[in-house]
Amino acid sequence: GAVVSQHPSWVICKSGTSVKIECRSLDFQATTMFWYRQFPKQSLMLMATSNEGSKATYEQGVEKDKFLINHASLTLSTLTVTSAHPEDSSFYICSALGVGVTDTQYFGPGTRLTVL
Amino acid sequence: DQQVKQNSPSLSVQEGRISILNCDYTNSMFDYFLWYKKYPAEGPTFLISISSIKDKNEDGRFTVFLNKSAKHLSLHIVPSQPGDSAVYFCAATYNNNDMRFGAGTRLTVKP
Repeated sequence: GAVVSQHPSWVICKSGTSVKIECRSLDFQATTMFWYRQFPKQSLMLMATSNEGSKATYEQGVEKDKFLINHASLTLSTLTVTSAHPEDSSFYICSALGVGVTDTQYFGPGTRLTVL
Repeated sequence: DQQVKQNSPSLSVQEGRISILNCDYTNSMFDYFLWYKKYPAEGPTFLISISSIKDKNEDGRFTVFLNKSAKHLSLHIVPSQPGDSAVYFCAATYNNNDMRFGAGTRLTVKP
C-alpha cells in the first residue's frame, strides 16, 4: 500500500533554532499534503494544507511565518518550525492525498519535536 | 510496522441501520484511542475517543467499544445517515506519545 515517510522521526533542538521536517510520499504522487499537530490525548489539530506548486493554506490561529510550509514537488512537503520555543514541542504528523484520489489519505509516522 | 489496522477498506449500509467500523491494534501499550471522520479533499476531524480504562464511550449516535483483551475497538453509528458517508480512521496513542493511524474505512450510507 501507499507509504508516507517523515524525517526525522524525532528531533531535539535549542530554543531559538529552526527545525525542518520532511514529509514524503514514497510510491505515489501527492498533490495535497496536510500538516497536523497532536496535543496530548486530544484530537489532531490541522495546521495547514499544502498544495504542490502553490502557497499553503493555514488554519486560523496558525502563524504562517513561524511554521513555513513548502510543497516543492509531488512527493515532498516540508514544515520548518522557525525560532522554535519550548511550547512548540509536540508531535507533528503529515498526511498525503494521492493524485486523482480525493478521499484516500495516508498518514506519515510523525515527528516528535522537543525544544529545550 | 502497522500497529493499527482497519481491515475493511469499505462498508455500505442502508440509511437508518447500524454502521459498525472495526479497528485492531497490536501494541498493548496503547492507552488512548480515537476515531476521525474525513470528507473528500478535507483533513480528518475528530469524532470520538476512548481511554483504555473504559470499554465504552457514547456520544449521541456514535459509540466506541474497546476490547482490550482482543486488542480491538469498534465504532457504532446508529441510526446511520447519508451525511455519515465519509472515510473513518481509527488512531491509537500511548502515554501521550505518538499517534498511529489505521488505513481508513470508507463508509457509504445509502438513502
